[in-house]
Amino acid sequence: QVQLQEAGPGLVRPSETLSLTCSVSGGSMTSYYWTWIRQSPGKGLEWIGYIYNSGATNYSPSLKSRVTISGDTSKNHFSLTLRYVTAADTAIYYCARGDTGLLDALDIWGQGTMVTVSS
Amino acid sequence: DIQMTQSPSSLSASVGDRVTITCRASQSISTFLNWYQQKPGRAPKLLIYAASSLPGGVPSRFSGRGSGTDFSLTINSLQPEDFASYYCQQSYSPPHTFGQGTKLEIK
Repeated sequence: QVQLQEAGPGLVRPSETLSLTCSVSGGSMTSYYWTWIRQSPGKGLEWIGYIYNSGATNYSPSLKSRVTISGDTSKNHFSLTLRYVTAADTAIYYCARGDTGLLDALDIWGQGTMVTVSS
Repeated sequence: DIQMTQSPSSLSASVGDRVTITCRASQSISTFLNWYQQKPGRAPKLLIYAASSLPGGVPSRFSGRGSGTDFSLTINSLQPEDFASYYCQQSYSPPHTFGQGTKLEIK
């Protein structure tokens, strides 16, 4: 059974870089969309972007200038980098798997990790 | 970007009721529409994919319908564990945008 687990610092200073990793266990990373989503406190879900087969990426236009998603299938993990963070980037960050067999629905989610941007 | 508009934003209902949540896309998305359930402090869970298909383990009281721009999620005979927030999401074209969510509360 595939499981995802986010990891990274819980506190990031304004203007610095947020870096998170999602570890994939119990299955292959091949042929899925590995996706990052975030949720600001008390708010809805925001799609950040995905990486497919450790190669093709797609990002939300509102974050595109600051975000990079990378992957390493040999190590079974993928990562999120968000540069020049502000308080508006404070959120729970989730990683999830998009399954092409389910029309790219996000069928498996990590538990989420809270990131606070503050000095 | 494709905008997803959910309604209502909140809903009060009783155990045993039938409720329907709607989701409208700003352009046609065929059946690339997914529904997620989120309980407080938990990650979202896939409830319905491809507009009307249920993943294994999802109770049959949940159903989805629609295609093109208009979609709905219906919960028959509400159970106590169904009181949660629900989000639609389009996976037709990146960015795979979410609706703003519907909070289902106990009346």
